[in-house]
Amino acid sequence: ETGVTQSPTHLIKTRGQQVTLRCSSQSGHNTVSWYQQALGQGPQFIFQYYREEENGRGNFPPRFSGLQFPNYSSELNVNALELDDSALYLCASSYFTGAYGYTFGSGTRLTVV
Amino acid sequence: AQSVTQLGSHVSVSEGALVLLRCNYSSSVPPYLFWYVQYPNQGLQLLLKYTTGATLVKGINGFEAEFKKSETSFHLTKPSAHMSDAAEYFCAVSGRDDKIIFGKGTRLHILP
Repeated sequence: ETGVTQSPTHLIKTRGQQVTLRCSSQSGHNTVSWYQQALGQGPQFIFQYYREEENGRGNFPPRFSGLQFPNYSSELNVNALELDDSALYLCASSYFTGAYGYTFGSGTRLTVV
Repeated sequence: AQSVTQLGSHVSVSEGALVLLRCNYSSSVPPYLFWYVQYPNQGLQLLLKYTTGATLVKGINGFEAEFKKSETSFHLTKPSAHMSDAAEYFCAVSGRDDKIIFGKGTRLHILP
C-alpha cells in the first residue's frame, strides 16, 4: 500500500509567478484535501476534491485552484504568487469521509521571493 | 462549524514524566476528533482518532485520549515521555462535512 506522494518537495518562485503542486493519493482513497501550513501555524484547509469535483473550500482566494484526475491524483495551482503564499503545502487523501482520518504527504515547501 | 483550541503552544516535560496536551473543540454536530503528530520537515501522522463508541481511545506510540462531551475536550496523554516524543502535536475536529479543521498546534519538548 503506497502512501501519499507530493512533488516537488521544495521550490522557489518569484512574486507574481504561477505554481503547480502535485499529489498522488494513497491507493484506495478517492478524496484529496489540500492544506496550507505557514511557519509555526496549524494547517489551514484550502479545498477538497471528491470524484473530480470540488467538495468544499476554505477561506482562500480564487487564485488558489485545483484539479482531481480520474486516478484520484490532484494538483494545486496558485496564480499571481504573493510573499504570504510561502508555506508548506500538504496534501491528504482519504476514503469517502474524513471520519477515518486523512493520510498526509510530506508536503511541498514553497518559498516566494 | 467546527473549531479547535489547543492550550499551550509549548509544553515541556521531563523524560519519563506524564505527557498531557490539552484540546478543546467546538462543533455543532457530534464530532470526529483526531490527534496528529508532525516531526520536523515532515507531513502529519495520525496518532489516534475518535469517531463513535468508546470514549477512551488508544493510539500509536503509547498515546491515548479521552473524549469528554460535557467538557468538549479531547486531551492527549502518555504515561511516560520519551525523547523521541519531541514533536509538534495537532488536535483536529471534523463534522458532517468531513473537512478536518486543525488547531494551532502544541510543540512538545522533552527534557533529559
